[in-house]
Amino acid sequence: SQKIEQNSEALNIQEGKTATLTCNYTNYSPAYLQWYRQDPGRGPVFLLLIRENEKEKRKERLKVTFDTTLKQSLFHITASQPADSATYLCALVGGANNLFFGTGTRLTVIP
Amino acid sequence: DAGVIQSPRHEVTEMGQEVTLRCKPISGHDYLFWYRQTMMRGLELLIYFNNNVPIDDSGMPEDRFSAKMPNASFSTLKIQPSEPRDSAVYFCASTVGPSSPLHFGNGTRLTVT
Repeated sequence: SQKIEQNSEALNIQEGKTATLTCNYTNYSPAYLQWYRQDPGRGPVFLLLIRENEKEKRKERLKVTFDTTLKQSLFHITASQPADSATYLCALVGGANNLFFGTGTRLTVIP
Repeated sequence: DAGVIQSPRHEVTEMGQEVTLRCKPISGHDYLFWYRQTMMRGLELLIYFNNNVPIDDSGMPEDRFSAKMPNASFSTLKIQPSEPRDSAVYFCASTVGPSSPLHFGNGTRLTVT
């Protein structure tokens, strides 16, 4: 079955630094991958989608890369701010067009 | 646009009772997903619908769980009988297409004692 691993359960970084989160997957070759942000007590909110033929996607301070050979996606937040503190989830589409999520990385940006 | 609306926000019930969770997707979204989230297992897909028809229910844990979508603007997830291990946050999400972003509701926190 599809297995999605996100590098660490929690990541603490200093304000202004770049946060890098990792998503690794096995047993499938997804056509695209999505990243979501989840705040406590709320549902996940979509951030970025990257397709298998795209190496990199950017949106403001966010950057996502997708390496289908390594079966890995990296999610970067540059010039991080305390307001970026949240849980970040990666998600892959399965064979039946269903979307499977990783367990998430809880990011804390320290002022 | 009000977004995906779930009710209730919180539900506390005793083991053995029936629980019904409700979801109103965003108008015009043809896909509806039910997920369950726990600390141990993260977000698990339970079932999803396309045009009100269940497409993949392989994530539904047991026969105690059932989901319906009687029309394009309403879906329910029912647990009967409920057990303490069903305690979790249940999310509903909708989208316009299989490769499009999901729009999540704010979830129903279920506690079964």
